[in-house]
Amino acid sequence: AQKITQTQPGMFVQEKEAVTLDCTYDTSDPSYGLFWYKQPSSGEMIFLIYQGSYDQQNATEGRYSLNFQKARKSANLVISASQLGDSAMYFCAMRESRGSNYKLTFGKGTLLTVNP
Amino acid sequence: EAGVTQFPSHSVIEKGQTVTLRCDPISGHDNLYWYRRVMGKEIKFLLHFVKESKQDESGMPNNRFLAERTGGTYSTLKVQPAELEDSGVYFCASSRTGIHEQYFGPGTRLTVT
Repeated sequence: AQKITQTQPGMFVQEKEAVTLDCTYDTSDPSYGLFWYKQPSSGEMIFLIYQGSYDQQNATEGRYSLNFQKARKSANLVISASQLGDSAMYFCAMRESRGSNYKLTFGKGTLLTVNP
Repeated sequence: EAGVTQFPSHSVIEKGQTVTLRCDPISGHDNLYWYRRVMGKEIKFLLHFVKESKQDESGMPNNRFLAERTGGTYSTLKVQPAELEDSGVYFCASSRTGIHEQYFGPGTRLTVT
């Protein structure tokens, strides 16, 4: 069963505008973590932001924020003031906390293009 | 601090040949993971080392894949014999125990012809 769903294969945004990348997840584990990674055309995977299932506040890291809606099982990434360098593939991932199981389950990704 | 490094960056081999991928994690990271992304599919977990021990190898596709982490430092992933469906990008990641973030390497693009 698919556990991470990213419904937007591609997104376009104008430079300096904000954009939301969608991510929904499915788990029966009460303790889990949600991650967003960025993969530019160079190929490396860059960690952006983390949200724990018990965290009360939405995570923020600079221009990145995670809109965590637990009841809806969504963990959308919001990028404010988009820059041309934000053009990349973005992956949502989840880690279920069962013992020492740290493996990540990824979505298919969203290709973001920032237009000048 | 150096990041996760992987070698080679790209490998092209013929079906039936053997290939060995190498991953050097960030120094001090006990946890090392291998993931794979086949064209058009999600990034999939292959296995997880804690130091030199295999913690979870539930994602290894079959016995043609062998991963080792001798001495708890670098890791190798050998594919023998390679099949066409093994083509994809193989990522390595590492993390400190108790820390959420996994830091990924640049990946090895494997092409089996």
